[in-house]
Amino acid sequence: DTGVSQNPRHKITKRGQNVTFRCDPISEHNRLYWYRQTLGQGPEFLTYFQNEAQLEKSRLLSDRFSAERPKGSFSTLEIQRTEQGDSAMYLCASSLGPGRYGYTFGSGTRLTVV
Amino acid sequence: QQQVKQSPQSLIVQKGGIPIINCAYENTAFDYFPWYQQFPGKGPALLIAIRPDVSEKKEGRFTISFNKSAKQFSLHIMDSQPGDSATYFCAATDSWGKFQFGAGTQVVVTP
Repeated sequence: DTGVSQNPRHKITKRGQNVTFRCDPISEHNRLYWYRQTLGQGPEFLTYFQNEAQLEKSRLLSDRFSAERPKGSFSTLEIQRTEQGDSAMYLCASSLGPGRYGYTFGSGTRLTVV
Repeated sequence: QQQVKQSPQSLIVQKGGIPIINCAYENTAFDYFPWYQQFPGKGPALLIAIRPDVSEKKEGRFTISFNKSAKQFSLHIMDSQPGDSATYFCAATDSWGKFQFGAGTQVVVTP
């Protein structure tokens, strides 16, 4: 087990294109979280899953964003029709139960929309 | 609405100094308060955490002080080293596990 893995590490895309990021959590962790971090700010919560169920979505998650966690394992975050304001670091975290139990972040995917 | 307010934005100390970072929260449902350390290009890594039933916790050179009545907590880095130069985030969560982060403090420790 090497922790939470995120791919790709970096993504540059043209405005209007769709992008998809992947997160592989620690294998026994049933909770998976997505956060967005812009330069000079702390991570902001986007959404989280318990197993395959998406339990909460932030108001930050516009209709252009969708996240899935099929079979309760890896998760994908898709952004449709990207905008320059979507440029940020997208972080995934996983935990065994509520956040205090082994909450671990991945290294993130840096998205740049040009 | 920022639920956790962190200060200062940045801090420069000499090696051996004690940087102190402060955080304040409003939501009394928060019951777990971690601090994260983040280096450029990396995700946040858990440094130390405290629950509101204790007023202080030490792990190595890192100490959290917690004041439940004031709804404030702080991180002290004892005998700071250049390798401690990083961005530090406080956070708070309730039983649902969704973290609210402060805006971060960039700490620079000069040799």
